[in-house]
Amino acid sequence: GNSVTQMEGPVTLSEEAFLTINCTYTATGYPSLFWYVQYPGEGLQLLLKATKADDKGSNKGFEATYRKETTSFHLEKGSVQVSDSAVYFCALSGNSGGSYIPTFGRGTSLIVHP
Amino acid sequence: GAGVSQSPSNKVTEKGKDVELRCDPISGHTALYWYRQRLGQGLEFLIYFQGNSAPDKSGLPSDRFSAERTGESVSTLTIQRTQQEDSAVYLCASSLLIAGDNEQFFGPGTRLTVL
Repeated sequence: GNSVTQMEGPVTLSEEAFLTINCTYTATGYPSLFWYVQYPGEGLQLLLKATKADDKGSNKGFEATYRKETTSFHLEKGSVQVSDSAVYFCALSGNSGGSYIPTFGRGTSLIVHP
Repeated sequence: GAGVSQSPSNKVTEKGKDVELRCDPISGHTALYWYRQRLGQGLEFLIYFQGNSAPDKSGLPSDRFSAERTGESVSTLTIQRTQQEDSAVYLCASSLLIAGDNEQFFGPGTRLTVL
């Protein structure tokens, strides 16, 4: 079956530091890959996505590239802000046996200090 | 409204009582999902509806959990004889489910506390 593994948190950074949150996956076929963000007290919202190999998703300064050769979709940002403090979820979804049930990672908490 | 809505936002109940949670998906979204998120944990898939097909109930943790959906609109998740371990945030998401792109649109969740 499908699976998503992301680095455990919390990740604690100072403002303007470089961020990487690792995500690797196992899947059959050619899934789409997603990063969702959950700000404190809120529901999940899509941050970025990539639907095929070598695609780069980007939004709000965050980027992730769909690497089929390494089955990875690492999230990066060059300069984090306090407002980026949230929980980040890596996810995949594809047509696995006719089912469109997404698989989510366990989430990585990011804490950014001023 | 334009987004997914859920009600109630908070529910406190006593052990053994039944609860019903509601989800209104985005109009036109054929797929609807329920997830459970325990404190500090990831998302646990519960059930998935797609159009008029039979729902995928493979994630329901016990027969105390059930869900219904009317056509491509409102869904209700029912938990019978609630237990303390049912305490969690229950998230609903809907999707257009275009092949190769299953972007999920989440509601704000219902926080369930079982005393």
